[in-house]
Amino acid sequence: GAVVSQHPSRVICKSGTSVKIECRSLDFQATTMFWYRQFPKQSLMLMATSNEGSKATYEQGVEKDKFLINHASLTLSTLTVTSAHPEDSSFYICSASTGRETSTDTQYFGPGTRLTVL
Amino acid sequence: AQSVTQLDSHVSVSEGTPVLLRCNYSSSYSPSLFWYVQHPNKGLQLLLKYTSAATLVKGINGFEAEFKKSETSFHLTKPSAHMSDAAEYFCVVSSFSGGYNKLIFGAGTRLAVHP
Repeated sequence: GAVVSQHPSRVICKSGTSVKIECRSLDFQATTMFWYRQFPKQSLMLMATSNEGSKATYEQGVEKDKFLINHASLTLSTLTVTSAHPEDSSFYICSASTGRETSTDTQYFGPGTRLTVL
Repeated sequence: AQSVTQLDSHVSVSEGTPVLLRCNYSSSYSPSLFWYVQHPNKGLQLLLKYTSAATLVKGINGFEAEFKKSETSFHLTKPSAHMSDAAEYFCVVSSFSGGYNKLIFGAGTRLAVHP
């Protein structure tokens, strides 16, 4: 149980285009979903947190107009990288949890999406 | 503010020998701590978590970690390494702020296992 999928696993796009990444919880309802970014050989950095049906909360330094997050249902969240540039190339990882009430809630991670912007 | 420091960026062991991956944390309150493993081209997998119950936490695949408040440590151990244990390991502390449970990741330790 507790499987999270991401689509696509890999995407290459031209500079200036927009790219949408989907994150789905396959066998549970995800009250909260998180989006992380991981640069090569580095750790994961939280970009934003979203609750189903409400606006995402972005971490300091993350441009909300650049990285659009939609959490339309309890099983789906999308991250759209708008007007992508080469510096946006990275590994994007989502996670999902069933609640937000305590610090013990486990986050279940997707396999990640590697974005390359040419 | 919560933070974690993984003391080694790379650890190399021989198959069958013990594994020790070190992690120190900083927290203004009793923390929840996790160890995650990341295999190439795979999602992060939860190995174990500490949530203020037993200080010795047993996880999957023979891993365990001991919470030591006096040393602010949460080191990950395994008695005997397998080749399949080669991966990136992240020590993580949970920070409950703004109504959300946020995970703060350490820099990671890459474990290499040699035959």
